[in-house]
Amino acid sequence: DTAVSQTPKYLVTQMGNDKSIKCEQNLGHDTMYWYKQDSKKFLKIMFSYNNKELIINETVPNRFSPKSPDKAHLNLHINSLELGDSAVYFCASSRVGDTQYFGPGTRLTVL
Amino acid sequence: GESVGLHLPTLSVQEGDNSIINCAYSNSASDYFIWYKQESGKGPQFIIDIRSNMDKRQGQRVTVLLNKTVKHLSLQIAATQPGDSAVYFCAETPGGSARQLTFGSGTQLTVLP
Repeated sequence: DTAVSQTPKYLVTQMGNDKSIKCEQNLGHDTMYWYKQDSKKFLKIMFSYNNKELIINETVPNRFSPKSPDKAHLNLHINSLELGDSAVYFCASSRVGDTQYFGPGTRLTVL
Repeated sequence: GESVGLHLPTLSVQEGDNSIINCAYSNSASDYFIWYKQESGKGPQFIIDIRSNMDKRQGQRVTVLLNKTVKHLSLQIAATQPGDSAVYFCAETPGGSARQLTFGSGTQLTVLP
């Protein structure tokens, strides 16, 4: 029944490592998003994909690369992790222009 | 730059009382507004939305008011319950589309027994 799911829920890793977070939605939506939420709960969009094409790419280091193998998946790959990357990352999905539905989040901790 | 902000970072209310959470926005081009609720350890959950051609919209125990003149949005929760304790975010977007949301900083609502 899960609409938007993310794995893993928690990710603890060392600086300099490369990691991926996976996102899947079973809502039939054609647009997916990645958001970053910092320690002060501020939510900021990172990327948006529509039908497997990148449509929003906010000012995000190029160490972050979204990958969309199909409309139901939008994975986030992060290279050379830094301390400042520690945050909660949320995936979301929507029909074009419609309400966004969020996943449960992935808490990334970089040591 | 344009931003969405909240007047109060925290709000405590007695169980059973009504809650009012406020939000100010500065982008005059914004015409679609959404309130999200985020419980601890979970993702934001859609509560209610409103478009700029309306000034009030009601849901189940929630009402959103929009004052375009002063660029102000509020969320009213009737008969607040313990399960309403969460962080509430307003989000806004221009162009009538929810494609690119700008979120406010959030208000922590705590319901006291």
